[in-house]
Amino acid sequence: EAAVTQSPRNKVTVTGGNVTLSCRQTNSHNYMYWYRQDTGHGLRLIHYSYGAGNLQIGDVPDGYKATRTTQEDFFLLLELASPSQTSLYFCASSPDREEVFFGKGTRLTVV
Amino acid sequence: QQQVRQSSQSLTVWEGETAILNCSYENSAFDYFPWYQQFPGEGPALLIAIRSVSDKKEDGRFTIFFNKREKNLSLHIKDSQPGDSATYFCAASGSNYNVLYFGSGTKLTVEP
Repeated sequence: EAAVTQSPRNKVTVTGGNVTLSCRQTNSHNYMYWYRQDTGHGLRLIHYSYGAGNLQIGDVPDGYKATRTTQEDFFLLLELASPSQTSLYFCASSPDREEVFFGKGTRLTVV
Repeated sequence: QQQVRQSSQSLTVWEGETAILNCSYENSAFDYFPWYQQFPGEGPALLIAIRSVSDKKEDGRFTIFFNKREKNLSLHIKDSQPGDSATYFCAASGSNYNVLYFGSGTKLTVEP
C-alpha cells in the first residue's frame, strides 16, 4: 500500500505568517501533488511535480510556492499567509498520473 | 472553469437502496474516469475507475455507467450500507494531461 505522510496534521498561523507543509512518500512514485479541499470546490490542484527539482503549476497557484527536493519529499510554502488560505491540504503521489494516493491531510487555519 | 461537475452536493438514501451519483465533464480529450471515496479525517482513496472505451464497469456493489456522447457518467451503489456514508469524488484525466481533475464531491449519507 502506497504511503504518503504529511506533517503537521494541524497548523494555526497568523495573517502574514510563514508556513511550510511537508510531504513524504516512500513508494518511489514519480508524480507528487498538492491539493486544497474546500466545501463546494472539491479538490483543487495547487502545484505538482514529476521528479526531484521539477515543479509544475496547477489550477490555483497564487500565494503558494512548492519545492521537490528529492524523489520522496515535496513541500508547500505559504510565505505571506492569508485567511483565504485556510483550508484542508492534501499531498498525493502517483506512479503513472492515474491512480493517485493521498495523505491524511493538513488542516491549516490562518487567523 | 470546472472541468468536472458533480450535480449534487449531498444525497441521502435508506439502507438497501441504490444510490446514484452523477458526474459530467467538459473536455472530449478525457479518457480515464476514476471515482474516489473519502471518509472523515482521511484522504480520498480510489474506489473504481473506467476508461472511455467502455460504457460500464462493475466491482461488487459499485458500478460506473459511462455515456461518451453525452459526456456524463454515474456511480451506482447497490444495496447501500451505512458504512458507505462518505464523500465521493468524480475525476477525469487523459493521455495529454499529467493530472486528475476532480469534481466538487457528493456527500452520501445512508440511513439505517
